[in-house]
Amino acid sequence: DAGITQSPRHKVTETGTPVTLRCHQTENHRYMYWYRQDPGHGLRLIHYSYGVKDTDKGEVSDGYSVSRSKTEDFLLTLESATSSQTSVYFCAISENNEQFFGPGTRLTVL
Amino acid sequence: GEDVEQSLFLSVREGDSSVINCTYTDSSSTYLYWYKQEPGAGLQLLTYIFSNMDMKQDQRLTVLLNKKDKHLSLRIADTQTGDSAIYFCAERPGGYQKVTFGTGTKLQVIP
Repeated sequence: DAGITQSPRHKVTETGTPVTLRCHQTENHRYMYWYRQDPGHGLRLIHYSYGVKDTDKGEVSDGYSVSRSKTEDFLLTLESATSSQTSVYFCAISENNEQFFGPGTRLTVL
Repeated sequence: GEDVEQSLFLSVREGDSSVINCTYTDSSSTYLYWYKQEPGAGLQLLTYIFSNMDMKQDQRLTVLLNKKDKHLSLRIADTQTGDSAIYFCAERPGGYQKVTFGTGTKLQVIP
């Protein structure tokens, strides 16, 4: 599983509240990613990081911010959650042309 | 931009072969991946192929690449009930970090 954990695994929140999801890896991988998975869309890239404090936007970055202050942690923040951000969020790392995924966080915004 | 398309559903009988198809659009050197997702779980990398290859085999899995038609297939021999899952095709142009996923094909294996 490439040593990837996500927390929390499930969260229910209300519209307008801030939410932070955490991805933690134990193997010093340089590249980390946040995706969301929705029916009919597959996985879509939100943001990714290519090193500490180095991040870039993906295809669905609006409404999300990320931070990477240390190699092992990549945080995804919804500053003001909306119902359209109800989804399953996956963190991933890449190593040698292969990408490995965490177990996912199911977020429900009411 | 990249676009990856897959059919939504496939049903096969246990013991038969399954063939899951995918088309992609990027014309440059690219990596093409197959992932498996079981209910409630993350994505598991099954195999991948670089666009200068035609075929890759790994135990029951065979990946075929038709570069002319930009068509990728995953063949699962002797399909088992444990193979029931959603299978995602994905593409990553060489030198880039962004991966584009298809919408997934749900494989149902009938005992």
